[in-house]
Amino acid sequence: AQSVTQPDIHITVSEGASLELRCNYSYGATPYLFWYVQSPGQGLQLLLKYFSGDTLVQGIKGFEAEFKRSQSSFNLRKPSVHWSDAAEYFCAVVLDYKLSFGAGTTVTVRA
Amino acid sequence: DSGVTQTPKHLITATGQRVTLRCSPRSGDLSVYWYQQSLDQGLQFLIQYYNGEERAKGNILERFSAQQFPDLHSELNLSSLELGDSALYFCASSVDQGRTDTQYFGPGTRLTVL
Repeated sequence: AQSVTQPDIHITVSEGASLELRCNYSYGATPYLFWYVQSPGQGLQLLLKYFSGDTLVQGIKGFEAEFKRSQSSFNLRKPSVHWSDAAEYFCAVVLDYKLSFGAGTTVTVRA
Repeated sequence: DSGVTQTPKHLITATGQRVTLRCSPRSGDLSVYWYQQSLDQGLQFLIQYYNGEERAKGNILERFSAQQFPDLHSELNLSSLELGDSALYFCASSVDQGRTDTQYFGPGTRLTVL
């Protein structure tokens, strides 16, 4: 089935350290990929998206993601994590008109 | 603030009851999507409307229905509620219905069925 997989359920990172969240997609054609963040008790906020063109995409809050077709990946990165980045992160791919989400990765930031 | 509003924020009800969740899309957006987020199923697409017409259906139960009104707000009706319907229900909206249209999410309605 066409979908996205987030292999890491939970990641703990120290404040100031770098963060990388993995996302693998399974899709026959050119995928339209998104990263969303959900803070506790909040809705989903779009971090960034990839449709075509430059494979390194810049987003909000200092996040970036790189699309690698050869690895079927769209990993999210941030060079230096802040305590406010503690949240759940979802990778998603557009299938027809709907978003198909991965299971999410919960990020804990320790002081 | 995404510009998508959902009411109510919280809803507590009993099994067998019926509830209505309401969503107002961002100004100018014609598409509305409904998603369900639960611990066991994750985030799942339920249904999409575009300019008043149903466009796509996902894993929506027959006990659930939705509609989009002429003013473009949408309602999700859940009936004969079961304990397993307890979840966070999100509405999202986008300008059009294309695959590249970004979906903006509301804050969600948390439904608790007792």
